[in-house]
Amino acid sequence: DIQMTQSPSTLSASVGDRVTITCRASQSISSWLAWYQQKPGKAPKFLIYKASSLESGAPSRFSGSGSGTEFTLTISSLQPDDFATYYCQQYSRFPLTFGGGTKVEI
Amino acid sequence: EVQLVESGGGLVQPGGSLRLSCAASGFTFSTHSMSWVRQAPGKGLEWVANIKQDGSEKFYVDSVKGRFTISRDNAKNSLYLQMNSLRAEDTAVYYCARVPGGYDFNFDYWGQGALVTVSS
Repeated sequence: DIQMTQSPSTLSASVGDRVTITCRASQSISSWLAWYQQKPGKAPKFLIYKASSLESGAPSRFSGSGSGTEFTLTISSLQPDDFATYYCQQYSRFPLTFGGGTKVEI
Repeated sequence: EVQLVESGGGLVQPGGSLRLSCAASGFTFSTHSMSWVRQAPGKGLEWVANIKQDGSEKFYVDSVKGRFTISRDNAKNSLYLQMNSLRAEDTAVYYCARVPGGYDFNFDYWGQGALVTVSS
């Protein structure tokens, strides 16, 4: 199985900060990576696919990069609505696997 | 508007069974692969199972193989998860999720989730 490791697990930031979250795969997944945002008690929300393509409706302050085994999610200017937990997910092969999550808090 | 609505969650004893349903609307259900993803209390996301558009291909995470069965009824726009031999570690919120298309197995729409609690 492909293991996905996110860092950090928790990130403290302020409104307006530039925030970067890292996701590493245990083997190459090309660009088959997605990012989601989840708020407490809510379903995850789809943000990015194919490592760097922004889902329609997702704010343009979110961006993704990387390929192979190392990926990043960047929020260019953190907004109050962005305080949440973020997950990466590989879909290179089954079983599909998620990273452990990164909680972005104030 | 795409909607996914899960039902069938509840409290069940270890070793028991439960069937989750997911009613889909707002899109052509038969043209999308569908998955179940779960989240244990306070934990991260775990993919559980996926079914191809026509039901001909199914995939499962190892921890549920032989116990859970994913199925669908395209005429009823519905997705199901039959869960047998339930264990305490199956306690989670179960989400149904839509695969946007082709072989890109990410998830663009999610239901609100159904809570399954396995406890005596």
